[in-house]
Amino acid sequence: AQTVTQSQPEMSVQEAETVTLSCTYDTSESDYYLFWYKQPPSRQMILVIRQEAYKQQNATENRFSVNFQKAAKSFSLKISDSQLGDAAMYFCAYTDSGAGSYQLTFGKGTKLSVIP
Amino acid sequence: DTEVTQTPKHLVMGMTNKKSLKCEQHMGHRAMYWYKQKAKKPPELMFVYSYEKLSINESVPSRFSPECPNSSLLNLHLHALQPEDSALYLCASSHPQGLLNTGELFFGEGSRLTVL
Repeated sequence: AQTVTQSQPEMSVQEAETVTLSCTYDTSESDYYLFWYKQPPSRQMILVIRQEAYKQQNATENRFSVNFQKAAKSFSLKISDSQLGDAAMYFCAYTDSGAGSYQLTFGKGTKLSVIP
Repeated sequence: DTEVTQTPKHLVMGMTNKKSLKCEQHMGHRAMYWYKQKAKKPPELMFVYSYEKLSINESVPSRFSPECPNSSLLNLHLHALQPEDSALYLCASSHPQGLLNTGELFFGEGSRLTVL
């Protein structure tokens, strides 16, 4: 079974600074997707960034980028120029690219606080 | 329209009540999901519907009964719940694998359920 590990239950960052959230995963599959989802206190899970395992290039979405190390099974999220609105719970997630629907396996989450 | 709409947002029910949670999407997604999320925990998969057929039931107690009346709607019928069933119930949707593969799940804001 696949597992996703987030080793940082809580982190904080000064506004405008950069922070990196860690995620490691375990799988025997070669083709899969990795995600970072953000869940603010408003509750809705929002996709931050997505990485396809067969793509070597690290995904980037504006201030958010990932460092995807497939051999090491590591998928960290870097948030640049942190803003107050970035404060939320961040979940790393994995899903196979096999047949059928997508079954996300989530990490336990990292609570990010942004200090003004 | 890129929304998944869940109603009600909040629900309080007694252990003998029967109630339903509703979820609707108009993105043409043919896979729909129910997740349960306890406070400060990641979401846990309950059910998956693929092309309106139940494809995954993660050993959920029978007091939870899912229903997918058409490709846009997903219901979760609740009966004889226990206080430990109090949680945030998240609905999500996606394209099934093999069609516009993105791996991404789109989540609703959730229904906060309290069982007294």
